[in-house]
Amino acid sequence: GQNIDQPTEMTATEGAIVQINCTYQTSGFNGLFWYQQHAGEAPTFLSYNVLDGLEEKGRFSSFLSRSKGYSYLLLKELQMKDSASYLCAVRSGGFKTIFGAGTRLFVKA
Amino acid sequence: ETGVTQTPRHLVMGMTNKKSLKCEQHLGHNAMYWYKQSAKKPLELMFVYSLEERVENNSVPSRFSPECPNSSHLFLHLHTLQPEDSALYLCASSQDPASAGNTIYFGEGSWLTVV
Repeated sequence: GQNIDQPTEMTATEGAIVQINCTYQTSGFNGLFWYQQHAGEAPTFLSYNVLDGLEEKGRFSSFLSRSKGYSYLLLKELQMKDSASYLCAVRSGGFKTIFGAGTRLFVKA
Repeated sequence: ETGVTQTPRHLVMGMTNKKSLKCEQHLGHNAMYWYKQSAKKPLELMFVYSLEERVENNSVPSRFSPECPNSSHLFLHLHTLQPEDSALYLCASSQDPASAGNTIYFGEGSWLTVV
């Protein structure tokens, strides 16, 4: 079967660093995506990894290990506006992109 | 503004009604998608259209009927739905669904409540 696991909820403090983990088991792999979704809004693209290693984009970084079926999203210098759901998604092949259930991040002052 | 526009944003319908959700993308993309998002569950892929041809149909009940008249427009026709079909329906588009780095861009969704 195909499965993507990520924690349901996380809480962190403004200004801190938080790491959101994602593990996946899919029949194929053509890249891993992270999306941010604020309540009542569309998911928006954050990052894409297809090779092992770290991709850095401003305050956000994403890491991939294909051999371990593992990724994480790292958010630095947390801001209140970072409170949102973070969706891990894997392009498994063909036209299919499979999504995890999302991690709700609460940033407190 | 995401480049993908969905209407209506909110819809309440009875189980015997017929309604449609509309999606339009202004990004010049070749592929369009319907996803269903239920509370605390992963996004579920329903349909994929590439160059107006349906290329993916994920065992969706026939009470959901998609239509893609051109590469910019996508509809989801709804008929005799069940209360468990209440969810957020997200339309999305992408440039090239066959490429590995294909990034999907979502609309803001249509909240559907079936009563």
